[in-house]
Amino acid sequence: DAKTTQPPSMDCAEGRAANLPCNHSTISGNEYVYWYRQIHSQGPQYIIHGLKNNETNEMASLIITEDRKSSTLILPHATLRDTAVYYCIVRRPQGAQKLVFGQGTRLTINP
Amino acid sequence: DTEVTQTPKHLVMGMTNKKSLKCEQHMGHRAMYWYKQKAKKPPELMFVYSYEKLSINESVPSRFSPECPNSSLLNLHLHALQPEDSALYLCASSQGQRGYNEQFFGPGTRLTVL
Repeated sequence: DAKTTQPPSMDCAEGRAANLPCNHSTISGNEYVYWYRQIHSQGPQYIIHGLKNNETNEMASLIITEDRKSSTLILPHATLRDTAVYYCIVRRPQGAQKLVFGQGTRLTINP
Repeated sequence: DTEVTQTPKHLVMGMTNKKSLKCEQHMGHRAMYWYKQKAKKPPELMFVYSYEKLSINESVPSRFSPECPNSSLLNLHLHALQPEDSALYLCASSQGQRGYNEQFFGPGTRLTVL
C-alpha cells in the first residue's frame, strides 16, 4: 500500500472550514484514499473514501487531485467535537485487508 | 446495530495471568481485526480473520492468541504478557468483500500489565 504524508498538526477556528492535506505521490491506479479520525481515547472512526472523483457525505468532503498524488479532507463547519487525529490511508480494494496508519494530523478546533 | 463492542473496557493483569479480550459485532460483517495502539502512536494491525479463518498474522508473539468462534465474535487470549504489552487493544470489523473496506472500530480495551 502506498505511503502517505500529512502535517503533524493543524489548528482551525470553530465554525470555519478545516482543510486537511495528504500527499500520496506513489499511489497506484487501483488504490483508494481513505480518511479516518480518532478522537482521544476512542477507536478510529471511518470518515470517507474515494478513488478519483470528489466525494461528499454528511461528515466531510474529499477532494482528490487529477493526478491522484494528493488529496484534501474538508470539514465544512468545524466544531469542537472535530478535535481529533486524522489519518489519511491509501489501500487496495481487497476485502479483508489491514489499514496501515501513518502518524496522522492532530487537528485542534479552537473556540 | 452499527456498533462494535469490546469488553472489558479496562484490564489490569500480572505477567503470570491468563485473560481474554472479547469483541462482538452484529452487522453481518465477515472480516474482523485486532489492532494494538501504544500511547501517542497510531494503531498497528495484529490479526485479521476473514470468514472465521485467520488470514493475516503480523508476526505477533504467541503470548497473544486470537480466536474467532463465529462470525460475530472475536477473542484475544492473553498469557504471560510483558509490561511492554500495555496498550489500547482495538477490534474492528468490515464486510470483508472486495470494494467494501470501511472498518468499524470498537472503543478498545485498555490493558495494563504489571
